[in-house]
Amino acid sequence: DSGVTQTPKHLITATGQRVTLRCSPRSGDLSVYWYQQSLDQGLQFLIQYYNGEERAKGNILERFSAQQFPDLHSELNLSSLELGDSALYFCASSKREGHTGELFFGEGSRLTVL
Amino acid sequence: AQSVAQPEDQVNVAEGNPLTVKCTYSVSGNPYLFWYVQYPNRGLQFLLKYITGDNLVKGSYGFEAEFNKSQTSFHLKKPSALVSDSALYFCAVRSQTGANNLFFGTGTRLTVIP
Repeated sequence: DSGVTQTPKHLITATGQRVTLRCSPRSGDLSVYWYQQSLDQGLQFLIQYYNGEERAKGNILERFSAQQFPDLHSELNLSSLELGDSALYFCASSKREGHTGELFFGEGSRLTVL
Repeated sequence: AQSVAQPEDQVNVAEGNPLTVKCTYSVSGNPYLFWYVQYPNRGLQFLLKYITGDNLVKGSYGFEAEFNKSQTSFHLKKPSALVSDSALYFCAVRSQTGANNLFFGTGTRLTVIP
């Protein structure tokens, strides 16, 4: 158990809908990262937050947004969903910026768009 | 730009034989390098990392990896494979001076044959 909690574990929805994925980082970790894992594109970095502020942005679509709240949990909002958004979405956390350590990953939220 | 290449989508090895999973990277400046393992329907688990110092790093479950700066490689190795090592393995890199998010390879599926 990494200590990173993601909900829901599975989500099935229809095209055009909006969903919210939630992540609680490990106790004491200030940084949260979101990754998308799809069959054809591997693991893609989406966005990083540190102590409530956006720190780095990767291949995140404009239809997607995220935020980190004062209690350090984070939410990833996916809107106007398309079939191609079906994927496993991972959250990871780490203690601080400028660190040399690893990221700790949650078990992921599997999104299926029908 | 940072990138990771895992040239083999699939590696098969007999139980008890040594295994190697290959990884090459591209990064500005000096790298931090990581190996993660993913079991079915699970999140990524940290195996080992190279930060600085000895080019041979040892990690969890008997795995080790060798950093080769001239070849920009960080191959994962294990002297004697177990059936339970069968999983998806990801190599990841970040620059020591860049953003904290990791760039992942596309993964190599290791199958250990009894």
